[in-house]
Amino acid sequence: SYVLTQPPSVSAAPGQTARIPCGGNNIRSKSVHWYQHTPGQAPILVIYDDSDRPSGIPERFSGSNSGNTATLTISRVEAGDEADYYCQVWDTTNDHPVFGGGTKLTVL
Amino acid sequence: QVQLVQSGAEVKKPGASVKVSCKAYGYTFTGQYMHWVRQAPGQGLEWMGWINPSSGGTNYAQNFQGRVTLTRDTSISTAYMELSSLRSDDTAIYYCARPLYDSSGFEYFQHWGQGTLVTVSS
Repeated sequence: SYVLTQPPSVSAAPGQTARIPCGGNNIRSKSVHWYQHTPGQAPILVIYDDSDRPSGIPERFSGSNSGNTATLTISRVEAGDEADYYCQVWDTTNDHPVFGGGTKLTVL
Repeated sequence: QVQLVQSGAEVKKPGASVKVSCKAYGYTFTGQYMHWVRQAPGQGLEWMGWINPSSGGTNYAQNFQGRVTLTRDTSISTAYMELSSLRSDDTAIYYCARPLYDSSGFEYFQHWGQGTLVTVSS
């Protein structure tokens, strides 16, 4: 099964930039999607297809994908951005989605 | 608009089964697969399986093979997830999710149910 690796935690001060990596073997060959998840709420899609934003997601959220690492970047971090973030791709061998382990963003 | 409405919280004893429903609104129920994902306390998102509402075909995660059964009732646009032989570590929030298709034709999730808390405790 395809494996996605995320750091358990990332922190940033308000107004700074947070970068959350998602590692996978030749991940650049896959489309990467990102979700924001806060306790008690359903996950929210913040980036799809590596770098596209659904309507309603602030421009502060952006994504990139190169080599073996995809990255979610959150500019001008706000307190309300504090959440768990998950990357996701499709495992074509086993025909199912795969999630990374999740990264907790702490706003200092 | 698209909405997925799940059934309410459940408390079950170890060894029992639980069946969670997910009623779809705002789109053609048989047009996309329905996926189930769970999050246990302190853990990440874990994919459990998908069902093709049109054909009834399924694909289950290896971790749940033999314990999970996904079904649907197309007449009421509702998908079901049944998990058997419950253990304490099955305590989790269970979500249904409707996929969209990325630029390569593979699935991601913009629409999620509100989640159903299943507590397994003696």
